[in-house]
Amino acid sequence: AQSVSQHNHHVILSEAASLELGCNYSYGGTVNLFWYVQYPGQHLQLLLKYFSGDPLVKGIKGFEAEFIKSKFSFNLRKPSVQWSDTAEYFCAVRLSGGYQKVTFGTGTKLQVIP
Amino acid sequence: EAQVTQNPRYLITVTGKKLTVTCSQNMNHEYMSWYRQDPGLGLRQIYYSMNVEVTDKGDVPEGYKVSRKEKRNFPLILESPSPNQTSLYFCASKASPNTGELFFGEGSRLTVL
Repeated sequence: AQSVSQHNHHVILSEAASLELGCNYSYGGTVNLFWYVQYPGQHLQLLLKYFSGDPLVKGIKGFEAEFIKSKFSFNLRKPSVQWSDTAEYFCAVRLSGGYQKVTFGTGTKLQVIP
Repeated sequence: EAQVTQNPRYLITVTGKKLTVTCSQNMNHEYMSWYRQDPGLGLRQIYYSMNVEVTDKGDVPEGYKVSRKEKRNFPLILESPSPNQTSLYFCASKASPNTGELFFGEGSRLTVL
């Protein structure tokens, strides 16, 4: 069955530390990849997406993600986190072509300590 | 402003009392979907709709109904709520079923006693 794995459930970092959140999927075929962020008490917002082209994708607020096809991964990175990055982060994947369901990972809660 | 609007945002109800959570989008999106978010389980899809009068089950449809009579509205109906439906619910939409990213509503926190 198709699945999306986020192995880090809860990450605690100090401000200015570097961030990398893992996302792996188990789909065969061409995929579209997304990272969403959910700030406390708010709805999910798109952080960045990959459909095709350059596998290094830049998103909002200094986030980036790299699609590594051979590793079925789409890890999220930020060189220096801020307290305002405290949120829950969700990786999502869908197969491209026609209607395909978006499957979400279980999320990673990031807590940034001032 | 482009948005997805859900109501109510918070609701406490009792087992068996029918309720409806409304969802409306002003972006003329074809595709709409309902998710529930539970700790440790992420977002799970309840129902989705690819266009007016076209709906289908997601991963966890039991105990829920939906309708899509107009393009902008996609209400979620709990005919006889049970405590295991206590959750945070999100409505989402996107322009086309086949591509693009989802736009989410603010969420509706439902507690069933």
